[in-house]
Amino acid sequence: QLQLQESGSGLVKPSQTLSLTCAVSDGSISSGGYSWNWIRQPPGKGLEWIGYIYHSGTTYYNPSLKSRVTISVDRSKNQFSLNLSSVTAADTAVYYCARGLDYMDVWGKGTTVTVSS
Amino acid sequence: DIQMTQSPSTLSASVGDRVTITCRASQSISIWLAWYQQKPGKAPKLLIYKASTLESGVPSRFSGSGSGTEFTLTISSLQPDDFATYYCQQYTSYLFTFGPGTKVDIK
Repeated sequence: QLQLQESGSGLVKPSQTLSLTCAVSDGSISSGGYSWNWIRQPPGKGLEWIGYIYHSGTTYYNPSLKSRVTISVDRSKNQFSLNLSSVTAADTAVYYCARGLDYMDVWGKGTTVTVSS
Repeated sequence: DIQMTQSPSTLSASVGDRVTITCRASQSISIWLAWYQQKPGKAPKLLIYKASTLESGVPSRFSGSGSGTEFTLTISSLQPDDFATYYCQQYTSYLFTFGPGTKVDIK
């Protein structure tokens, strides 16, 4: 059963870059036509899709975040990563990674990122 | 960009009730609609995809219908484990959008 695990900095200062990694286990990031997604959820609010990457390296981003987001893939480590630049308090959220097709069927447990000085 | 709305935003119901949640898209999304259940402190769980296909392992009391711009999630007989927040999600033009969510709580 495929599993995803987020990791990265839990506290980021304003204006700095948030960096997270999603490790894929019990399955290959290069298998099938899946997308590898990042989603976030601010405290007490709904879900916001950030973007995804295919194992080929092709990316698609939420237009509202596109200027600040970079998603990359490391096939040798079977993981993918999120960088979000110029963060503000509004970027404080639980960040999830998930496997996708036209839906997202496998999710990580999420990691909390707080933006604060 | 396609916008998603859900109604109601909150629904109070009792165990055994039939519950229906509506999701609307700002333009046609064919059947590219999924539903998720989320409980506090947990990741979302996929319930239904392609508007009406039940994910493996999801109880048959959950069902989905609709196409184009209007979709519904129905729980035929609400169980104690079903009190949660439900989100719809669309996928078109390589982009995903989630609805704002519907919280189902105990009446």
